[in-house]
Amino acid sequence: GAGVSQTPSNKVTEKGKYVELRCDPISGHTALYWYRQSLGQGPEFLIYFQGTGAADDSGLPNDRFFAVRPEGSVSTLKIQRTERGDSAVYLCASSPGGRGVGTQYFGPGTRLTVL
Amino acid sequence: DQQVKQNSPSLSVQEGRISILNCDYTNSMFDYFLWYKKYPAEGPTFLISISSIKDKNEDGRFTVFLNKSAKHLSLHIVPSQPGDSAVYFCAAVTGNQFYFGTGTSLTVIP
Repeated sequence: GAGVSQTPSNKVTEKGKYVELRCDPISGHTALYWYRQSLGQGPEFLIYFQGTGAADDSGLPNDRFFAVRPEGSVSTLKIQRTERGDSAVYLCASSPGGRGVGTQYFGPGTRLTVL
Repeated sequence: DQQVKQNSPSLSVQEGRISILNCDYTNSMFDYFLWYKKYPAEGPTFLISISSIKDKNEDGRFTVFLNKSAKHLSLHIVPSQPGDSAVYFCAAVTGNQFYFGTGTSLTVIP
């Protein structure tokens, strides 16, 4: 498919465990965003990549959260020592470049449940 | 601190009539506004946008209005169709960051 894909679609883990969430952006898109959407809320910005570098990581809630994009394509969001409050849908979006305003393409999200 | 608010969690409209979804914001630094549509188990899909230097943008059945003095924007859908039933999010942009509202669930009744 040509769209943004995210794996896994669902992840259930226990409190204190480590998880990795993967995002495959649309080929050629240089900008990549991670969001977190809690129940009844809108997407909340976490981090923005332009190419390989994190251009803005001010939305990451604490140092348990980290994201990488080593080759400027696939990105992985990593959460250490998960807590029940981390349970949410994690959305990834990509855009062709620049600020990507109006041209973000979202993936279906990964639903993370921390027991 | 919610910088973008959608105060109506749900809206029901008869097919063929106009749907009006509202959004308020607090940050005067926002320079771009967008509306997204979301179906269950899918990511949001971009619908329409407007720059802060404009007050109206139209695309087919969808029109977005921006009132900067009131810090308010709205999405008009006319005529509404059953396939428009979804959750609609407004978003505002400053710098590289997108701020989303909490969404309004629109139901178009056939």
